[in-house]
Order: sequence, then structure tokens, then C-alpha cells
Amino acid sequence: QVQLVQSGAEVKKPGASVKVSCKASGYRFIAYYIHWVRQAPGQGLEWMGDINTNSGDTNFAQKFQGRVTMTRDTSINTVSMDLSGLKSDDSAIYFCAKSKSYCSDGICYHYFDYWGQGTLVTVSS
Amino acid sequence: SSELTQDPAVSVALGQTVRITCQGGSLRRSYASWYQQKPGQAPVLLIFGKNIRPSGIPDRFSGSSSGDTTSLTITGAQAEDEADYHCHCRGNNHMVFGGGTKLTVL
Repeated sequence: QVQLVQSGAEVKKPGASVKVSCKASGYRFIAYYIHWVRQAPGQGLEWMGDINTNSGDTNFAQKFQGRVTMTRDTSINTVSMDLSGLKSDDSAIYFCAKSKSYCSDGICYHYFDYWGQGTLVTVSS
Repeated sequence: SSELTQDPAVSVALGQTVRITCQGGSLRRSYASWYQQKPGQAPVLLIFGKNIRPSGIPDRFSGSSSGDTTSLTITGAQAEDEADYHCHCRGNNHMVFGGGTKLTVL
């Protein structure tokens, strides 16, 4: 069965960096993109970016450009997300999610069929 | 601000039908997907494409769309449906979520 297992909770000081990992199993790793989505306390979901697990190409939300990197290691089916220059409002639960996409007759659909369990990142002095 | 707009909160009486809506220009070019999220848990895919439910999702959940608005309908809401519901679609080279709707089952 498909599983995405994330690394554990982190506590960081402002200005530091955090690295969250996401290990995939149960499917062909390089066939599907992995996305990162975060959720601040009491807030909605916020898309951060994605990585093509085959090529390693990345695409980030403008808000995170220059602060986020995403990498993958195909030997261990793992994607990592690094966020630098942490601020208190980066405190959130960070999720990885596997996506699928399909287009037909000019209409496309994209969805996240599996999610990791989430990783709590707390930024506090 | 979110490019997809959802009502922050909706309530429904047990056993009744409720519609949760999501509006945004990107919905004219891409089908939305819907996710249910319960406290302390990761989101779960409910609906994608043209009203497609993944295996294991009850058939009381259905999706529809018209123009720039997509809707999730729960027919015969159950107590366990009390949760947050998030819509999602692809924008211009990025993904976007609605702000989420908190559903209360009375």
C-alpha cells in the first residue's frame, strides 16, 4: 500500500533552517510528483511547491522563492524540503503529498491522492 | 489571499443535505479536488475530476461544477462528517487551495 512517512517534529530558532523528509513506499517513486503543503495553526492549507521525482526539477510558490529547496534521493525513495530564514509565522504542520494529473478535451484535473502524516515545525526564540 | 473562495463555516442538521462551495477563476480551466480533514489528521481525498470518488469514500459525497464554481454535496450528513473541507485546483503553474470550510453537524 502507498505510504508517505515524514520525519519528526522540529523546534527551531528564528533565522535557522529546517529540513523535513518524506519517505515514499508502495508505488513507483519516480512516476509521480511530490508536493509540500503547510498548515499554520487554525488556518487553511498552503501550497509551497513541488518536485519532479524523476528529473529533480522543482517549482515553488512565489511566496517561498529563495527560501525553500526541495531535493529527492531516488535510491531511498525520499524527498526532502529545506526552509531557511525561519520566522515565527513559519510555525506550522508541513505535509508532503503525492499528486496525479490528467488532461482530456482541454480540461485538466490534478489531485493529491496520498498525504504524509505531517511534521510540526515550531519556530520560537 | 486565496485564489479560491470558500465559506469559512457551514452547519447541517444530522441526516440533511449540505452543499459546500468553492469559487475561483482557475476552476474554469481545471477540475477541483476536495479533501476532508479532521483535527490532528492529514487531509483525505474525497472527490477529484468530474465527480470521481476514490475507493472507500461513501457515495453520500458528490461533486459538481459550473463555470467558476465547484461544489461538494453531502447527502444525508452523518456525525462523522463534521470536519474541515478544502477545495484545490491548479492555477497558473502553481497549485491553490481554498481557505477551507468548517462543517458542523447539528
